[in-house]
Amino acid sequence: NAGVTQTPKFQVLKTGQSMTLQCAQDMNHNSMYWYRQDPGMGLRLIYYSASEGTTDKGEVPNGYNVSRLNKREFSLRLESAAPSQTSVYFCASSEAPTSGSTDTQYFGPGTRLTVL
Amino acid sequence: AQSVTQPDIHITVSEGASLELRCNYSYGATPYLFWYVQSPGQGLQLLLKYFSGDTLVQGIKGFEAEFKRSQSSFNLRKPSVHWSDAAEYFCAVAAGDMRFGAGTRLTVKP
Repeated sequence: NAGVTQTPKFQVLKTGQSMTLQCAQDMNHNSMYWYRQDPGMGLRLIYYSASEGTTDKGEVPNGYNVSRLNKREFSLRLESAAPSQTSVYFCASSEAPTSGSTDTQYFGPGTRLTVL
Repeated sequence: AQSVTQPDIHITVSEGASLELRCNYSYGATPYLFWYVQSPGQGLQLLLKYFSGDTLVQGIKGFEAEFKRSQSSFNLRKPSVHWSDAAEYFCAVAAGDMRFGAGTRLTVKP
C-alpha cells in the first residue's frame, strides 16, 4: 500500500516547454487534488476532482490543465511553462470531497519543478 | 471565502519546553479545522482535525489543539517538544475547499 505517489520527484524545464505531472493513489479514494507550495504562501489548490469524470478549478488554475484518467490517477499538465510556475507540487487524495465532510487528505511526496 | 492566518513564520523552542502554534481563521460558520506537519522534503501528514463536539482535540505525536469560536482560533500545543518535532506546521480550514495557512517553521534547540 503505497498511498499517494507522484512522478517525477524533480524536473527542470525551459520557458515554453510542456510537461505532465503524474499522480496515483491506491486507497480507492474518490477525490483527488493538486496543490502548489510556494515560500510564505502555504499550499494553494490548483484543481481538484471530486469523483472520477469530474474536475473543478481551485484557487490558482491559470496555466494548468488536469485529467482524471481513472479513479486512481490524476495528472496535471503545464502546456507552456513559465518561471512563475516554479514551485513544489503536491497531489493529495481523500475518500470524499472536503466540502461537507471531514475526510482527511493524504499527500504525496511532491514534485519540485524549476522553470528557467 | 474562508482564510487562515498563522501569525508566526518561525518559532524556536528548546527541547523539553512547551509549544504553542497559533492559527486564526476567517469563516462565517463553524469550519472544519486541521493541523498538518511537513518534515523536510516530505508531503504533509495530518496531526489532528476538528469538526464538532469537544473543543479540545487530541492528535498524533502528543499534539493537541483547542478550538475557540469566540477568538476564531485553533492553536496547536504540545507540553514537551522533542528534537524530532522540528518541521513546518500548517493550519487549514475546509469549507468548500481546503485553505492552508502560510505555515510556521519550528526549530528545536538541543
